Amino acid sequence: GAVVSQHPSRVICKSGTSVKIECRSLDFQATTMFWYRQFPKQSLMLMATSNEGSKATYEQGVEKDKFLINHASLTLSTLTVTSAHPEDSSFYICSASPGGSNQPQHFGDGTRLSIL
Amino acid sequence: RKEVEQDPGPFNVPEGATVAFNCTYSNSASQSFFWYRQDCRKEPKLLMSVYSSGNEDGRFTAQLNRASQYISLLIRDSKLSDSATYLCVVNRQTGANNLFFGTGTRLTVIP
Repeated sequence: GAVVSQHPSRVICKSGTSVKIECRSLDFQATTMFWYRQFPKQSLMLMATSNEGSKATYEQGVEKDKFLINHASLTLSTLTVTSAHPEDSSFYICSASPGGSNQPQHFGDGTRLSIL
Repeated sequence: RKEVEQDPGPFNVPEGATVAFNCTYSNSASQSFFWYRQDCRKEPKLLMSVYSSGNEDGRFTAQLNRASQYISLLIRDSKLSDSATYLCVVNRQTGANNLFFGTGTRLTVIP
């Protein structure tokens, strides 16, 4: 089945650090990948849609200069949390689908980010 | 009103029990529907898509009622390994990933 890999799985760093998270589709090409954030006991919330070769589309309330997304190839999207602060601590998950945007999404393992 | 609403539970059931989860969605234009399973501190994994005619996969049965904007998941003969949070997921728009997640229903199957 479709596999999406995410790295790193866990990050603990000081406030002010920038953190890069990678999302890879291992056995299929994905022109579109999606980035979510999940706070404890809450729903997954879509942050942005990552489009290969073009700018990402951000959801309302998500700062594009804070959460930089790069989708340079058909198998890799990166999310960089710039100058992270404790309120950015969350579970970040990416997803993609070999079948297109409205097909079931396959999720990466997630990255648990803790900012001290 | 939230896009997708679920009873958060928790549901604590004995092994072998049958348990049903319900979910309602607010947007009548919603196109596709899914149940995902999420284990503690892990990523969601697709359990099954939900079709208008209802569908079954082993011990799991999903139903969709478009008129009532209601989705259900039935688990028969519960196993300990079924303990997880079950997420109701709705995609509003064809050709776009307007996925809306419920907060999930927590299930614990007790020996």
